[in-house]
Amino acid sequence: DTGVSQDPRHKITKRGQNVTFRCDPISEHNRLYWYRQTLGQGPEFLTYFQNEAQLEKSRLLSDRFSAERPKGSFSTLEIQRTQHEDSAVYLCAISRCIYNEQFFGPGTRLTVL
Amino acid sequence: QKEVEQNSGPLSVPEGAIASLNCTYSDRVSQSFFWYRQYSGKSPELIMSIYSNGDKEDGRFTAQLNKASQYVSLLIRDSQPSDSATYLCAVKGDDGYALNFGKGTSLLVTP
Repeated sequence: DTGVSQDPRHKITKRGQNVTFRCDPISEHNRLYWYRQTLGQGPEFLTYFQNEAQLEKSRLLSDRFSAERPKGSFSTLEIQRTQHEDSAVYLCAISRCIYNEQFFGPGTRLTVL
Repeated sequence: QKEVEQNSGPLSVPEGAIASLNCTYSDRVSQSFFWYRQYSGKSPELIMSIYSNGDKEDGRFTAQLNKASQYVSLLIRDSQPSDSATYLCAVKGDDGYALNFGKGTSLLVTP
């Protein structure tokens, strides 16, 4: 158990719909990351939060993607007007301040029809 | 562009043998190096981290880092069928928070 839960675990949506995923660190971790993984690839970094502040965003993160971390606890990732190429597993990871090791949650598998 | 390269495999080793997984990276200022194991349909699981040149051992796993050659490897001793998975190499530079991952090497340990 890495101390991260994600919801939902699976999401099927139609192209053009909006979707929102949630990441819940079970314990206090001030660093939270979102990654995306497609078949046969390693995870690709999307964005990073330190507490409630979004400190880094990948160029991969188009304007259809938005992430929040209100109060520095759980985080949400929203994708607007989903496209087929958004189909992937969206992974949330956490790390503690002094260590840089990142621990992944179970992921949310998104399928865009 | 910061690149992390791994041989995609599959790497097949017999049970009990040593599996050797390799990774090269392009960013010379990389500071932190990680190996993750990923079973099919599961999320990556951290198995080793290494920050300085040399070897780091943890049970059956040994990570080796050579910053001059920009090379990091993972050795798995006494390989078991349960070690069959994809092994992802991840590298973090000094200038950000993101991990850059390779595509992973598929390992198959045959009984």
